[in-house]
Amino acid sequence: DVKVTQSSRYLVKRTGEKVFLECVQDMDHENMFWYRQDPGLGLRLIYFSYDVKMKEKGDIPEGYSVSREKKERFSLILESASTNQTSMYLCASVGTGGLGSGNTIYFGEGSWLTVV
Amino acid sequence: DQQVKQNSPSLSVQEGRISILNCDYTNSMFDYFLWYKKYPAEGPTFLISISSIKDKNEDGRFTVFLNKSAKHLSLHIVPSQPGDSAVYFCAARRVNYGGSQGNLIFGKGTKLSVKP
Repeated sequence: DVKVTQSSRYLVKRTGEKVFLECVQDMDHENMFWYRQDPGLGLRLIYFSYDVKMKEKGDIPEGYSVSREKKERFSLILESASTNQTSMYLCASVGTGGLGSGNTIYFGEGSWLTVV
Repeated sequence: DQQVKQNSPSLSVQEGRISILNCDYTNSMFDYFLWYKKYPAEGPTFLISISSIKDKNEDGRFTVFLNKSAKHLSLHIVPSQPGDSAVYFCAARRVNYGGSQGNLIFGKGTKLSVKP
């Protein structure tokens, strides 16, 4: 079974703090993603990475950065947290060949971030 | 502009009856569609998918139908069970989006309630 692990389930941070959200997958997947989920907005892609040290902006990258130093780990960074970044953050991964070849995207359990 | 639309934010169905969740898309370049199920405080889990070259895919109680001419897909759950109560997200794969083969764009979700 694929396992995508997000190290922090619940965080409360102050405005202006730097926040790190860590994600690790154990299936040697090349592709990793960070989404955020907000009520009424569904899941929106923040950043993704298709290889070590490679990163691409998603649909809502503003206020975020990412780091992929190792294949299994993809970190989301909030350089200066703001209250509008209060959300549920979901990490995901998928292997080589992508979708449609028996693979699917696997999600972690989510990290609830509250910025006060 | 929303490319994947789930126009019903909620649906209530009696146990044993059929649940039909709908999804419309605007981009004819999507080539793969998926349904995810999400319980509160958990990450989404993959349910069923369909390639754009097919019009139906079935897996147990779950069937997904794709009508390409109408840019519409639907998820049928028969018979519905109380444990099916969750938020269901429709997702479509974006072709040639960066270097990744797994980029999905999600609808806003439909909350299904199955009443005993």
